[in-house]
Amino acid sequence: DIQMTQSPSTLSASVGDRVTITCRASQSISSWLAWYQQKPGKAPKLLIYKASTLESGVPSRFSGSGSGTEFTLTISSLQPDDFATYYCQQYNDYPITFGQGTRLEIK
Amino acid sequence: EVQLVESGGGLVQPGGSLRLSCAASGFTFSDHYMNWVRQAPGKGLEWIGLSRNKPNSYTTQYAASVRGRFTISRDESTNSLYLQMNSLKTEDTAVYFCSRQKGAGDMDVWGQGTPVTVSS
Repeated sequence: DIQMTQSPSTLSASVGDRVTITCRASQSISSWLAWYQQKPGKAPKLLIYKASTLESGVPSRFSGSGSGTEFTLTISSLQPDDFATYYCQQYNDYPITFGQGTRLEIK
Repeated sequence: EVQLVESGGGLVQPGGSLRLSCAASGFTFSDHYMNWVRQAPGKGLEWIGLSRNKPNSYTTQYAASVRGRFTISRDESTNSLYLQMNSLKTEDTAVYFCSRQKGAGDMDVWGQGTPVTVSS
């Protein structure tokens, strides 16, 4: 199975900050990576797919980059609505696997 | 409106069975791969399996943790996805989500989830 490791596990930041979350795959997954945002008690929401393509309707302050084994999700200027947990997911091979999550909290 | 609505969750004893349903609307159900993903209390997301689309004969794929115990199926006439769960274990306790696969594996539409508790 392909292991996905996110860092950090928790990130404290303020409104207006630029933040970056990293996701590393245990083997190359090309660009077959998605990022999701999840708020408590809610379903995940797709933000980015194919490593860097912004899902329709997602604000442009979100961006993704990377290929192979290292990927990043960047939020250029944090808004109050962005405080949530973020997951990366690989779909290069079965089983589909997710990172353990990064909780973004208010400093 | 594109929508997925899960139902069928509840409390079941270890070793028991449960069938979850996911009603799809607003899109051509047969065109899409459909997934089941679960989330144990306070934990991350775990993919448990999928049903491929009609051109791929609705074939299925499962995670090792549920293979042989869980079965995914579809009813094209009612646009419904099912998850039959047998031989349930306490570690199967989770909220179960169905999701639509948009491309090669990214999931763009999710249901609200249905909770399953396995406990005596």
